Amino acid sequence: GNSVTQMEGPVTLSEEAFLTINCTYTATGYPSLFWYVQYPGEGLQLLLKATKADDKGSNKGFEATYRKETTSFHLEKGSVQVSDSAVYFCALNSGYSTLTFGKGTMLLVSP
Amino acid sequence: GAGVSQTPSNKVTEKGKYVELRCDPISGHTALYWYRQSLGQGPEFLIYFQGTGAADDSGLPNDRFFAVRPEGSVSTLKIQRTERGDSAVYLCASSLEGQLFTEAFFGQGTRLTVV
Repeated sequence: GNSVTQMEGPVTLSEEAFLTINCTYTATGYPSLFWYVQYPGEGLQLLLKATKADDKGSNKGFEATYRKETTSFHLEKGSVQVSDSAVYFCALNSGYSTLTFGKGTMLLVSP
Repeated sequence: GAGVSQTPSNKVTEKGKYVELRCDPISGHTALYWYRQSLGQGPEFLIYFQGTGAADDSGLPNDRFFAVRPEGSVSTLKIQRTERGDSAVYLCASSLEGQLFTEAFFGQGTRLTVV
């Protein structure tokens, strides 16, 4: 079956630090990959996506590259801000109209 | 409305009671999804509607859970004989079509607590 594994949090960083949140997946077929973000008190929002191998998704300074050979979709940002503090979810869609999510990784950024 | 609306935002009920959770999707979105998020976990798929019909209900945990979408817009998730293990945040999402690359927009969820 499909599954997504994310690094456990919380990830605690100082402002302007480099961020990596690891995500690996197991899936049948050729899934699309997503990162969702949940800010405090808000609903889940799509952050970025990639639909095929070697695609790079990017948004708001965040990037993730779909690596089929390592079945990974790691989230990166070169310089985090306090406002990036949130919970980040990696997810996949493997041909059906539903998403399989990881457990989420909390990011805490201090000034 | 501008986004997906879920009511109530919080619901506390006694074990054994019946509850209904409502989802009002974005106008025009034909696809609607229900997910359940337990503490410390990611959302888990429950059921997916395309229009009025349930296209995939494979995530419903047992027959105490049921969902309807009679007019292809608002959906209600119904839980009978609630158990403490049903306590979770129930999320609803909608999208223009139930296809691979269409973005799903999530509501803020209903936090259900069974005491």
